[in-house]
Amino acid sequence: GENVEQHPSTLSVQEGDSAVIKCTYSDSASNYFPWYKQELGKRPQLIIDIRSNVGEKKDQRIAVTLNKTAKHFSLHITETQPEDSAVYFCAASTSGGGADGLTFGKGTHLIIQP
Amino acid sequence: SAVISQKPSRDICQRGTSLTIQCQVDSQVTMMFWYRQQPGQSLTLIATANQGSEATYESGFVIDKFPISRPNLTFSTLTVSNMSPEDSSIYLCSVEVRRDTTTFGSGTRLTVV
Repeated sequence: GENVEQHPSTLSVQEGDSAVIKCTYSDSASNYFPWYKQELGKRPQLIIDIRSNVGEKKDQRIAVTLNKTAKHFSLHITETQPEDSAVYFCAASTSGGGADGLTFGKGTHLIIQP
Repeated sequence: SAVISQKPSRDICQRGTSLTIQCQVDSQVTMMFWYRQQPGQSLTLIATANQGSEATYESGFVIDKFPISRPNLTFSTLTVSNMSPEDSSIYLCSVEVRRDTTTFGSGTRLTVV
């Protein structure tokens, strides 16, 4: 089955700096890659996603890149703000939209230092 | 996006007992999913529940331990049976409300003592 590795497990950046979280996946059939943000005590919230036919997607301060050949994808957050502090999870699916469920990475605890 | 109501939000249960978690969606959905999030850990898919058919379980999860019902297109239940302290986790249901968007319920925080 699919295996998703995520790094780093903890990332501390100064407010205003950029943060990058990286994930790799094992199943070349995976074609959908969402990112979720989970604040303490709350449910995971989808923040951005990308399909295998796209190399990059951007939404304001958040961007995701995908390298299918290398089987890795990354989350980029620019101009970080205190409210960006949370745990971020990458995920992968082979069904194009999570219809077969998602395989998650272990998560990255992002800490924004004021 | 869909509104997902999950209950109970939390419970403390005695070992050896069972707890049934309910998940209600405000629109009809084909598939519903159940995930487990152990303390400080990531999310792991337990099973996929389609209306009118048996749930499909992931490796490491069995129907006797986690029976699932899906009586209609807006509702599902997950039962955690014969609980032990190792079952203490957050259990989340999720649905794909439109292509490529998986939304989670608010979760059930289970503590087994």
